[in-house]
Amino acid sequence: DIQMTQSPSSLSAAVGDRVTITCRASQGISKYLAWYQQKPGKVPKLLIYGASTLQSGVPSRFSGSGSGTDFTLTISSLQPEDVGIYSCQKYNRAPFTFGPGTKVDIK
Amino acid sequence: EVMLVESGGGLVKPGGSLRLSCAASGFSFSSFSMSWVRQAPGKGLEWVASVSSTSSHIFYANSVKGRFTISRDNAKNSLVLQMDSLTAEDTAIYYCARATKWGDVHYYYMDVWGKGTTVTVSS
Repeated sequence: DIQMTQSPSSLSAAVGDRVTITCRASQGISKYLAWYQQKPGKVPKLLIYGASTLQSGVPSRFSGSGSGTDFTLTISSLQPEDVGIYSCQKYNRAPFTFGPGTKVDIK
Repeated sequence: EVMLVESGGGLVKPGGSLRLSCAASGFSFSSFSMSWVRQAPGKGLEWVASVSSTSSHIFYANSVKGRFTISRDNAKNSLVLQMDSLTAEDTAIYYCARATKWGDVHYYYMDVWGKGTTVTVSS
């Protein structure tokens, strides 16, 4: 099965900083990658699908890129409400594995 | 409003069984594939199982294969996860989630999530 990894596992950044999270698949998955945000105590929320397509209603400071095995989620200007855990998920074929998550907080 | 509401969680002894349900509303349930995703305390998201809109395709994570059964009743807008031979490692919040479709093509990323139901396996 394809394994998903993320780096870093956690990060702390200042408001306004540009933040980049990496997700890597152990084998190529084309662009079948989604990103989720989970705020503390809340339900996961879909941010991006198809590696780079923003889900409706998601702020434009979020963006995604990549294909094959390497993907990135970028927050162009970190806001206090962006604190939470960010997870990637592959969906090219089962198992639809999630990455381990990246915890983002404010410095 | 599109909603998913899980029920059936609780405390169960190791080796026991539990049946989770998810009631869907606000969308054409029979048109969408559905999934269960869980999150152990302090851990990340773990995909558990998915079922296509007509139940023709069913997928399980290796960690639950042979112990869990996903099913759906489109007439009742209901998704079920039957969990048997439970262990402490199955302790988690279990989320019901809707997979996406574009035209007739189903993609198993989740655009709608329920609030979850908590399963605790402990003696």
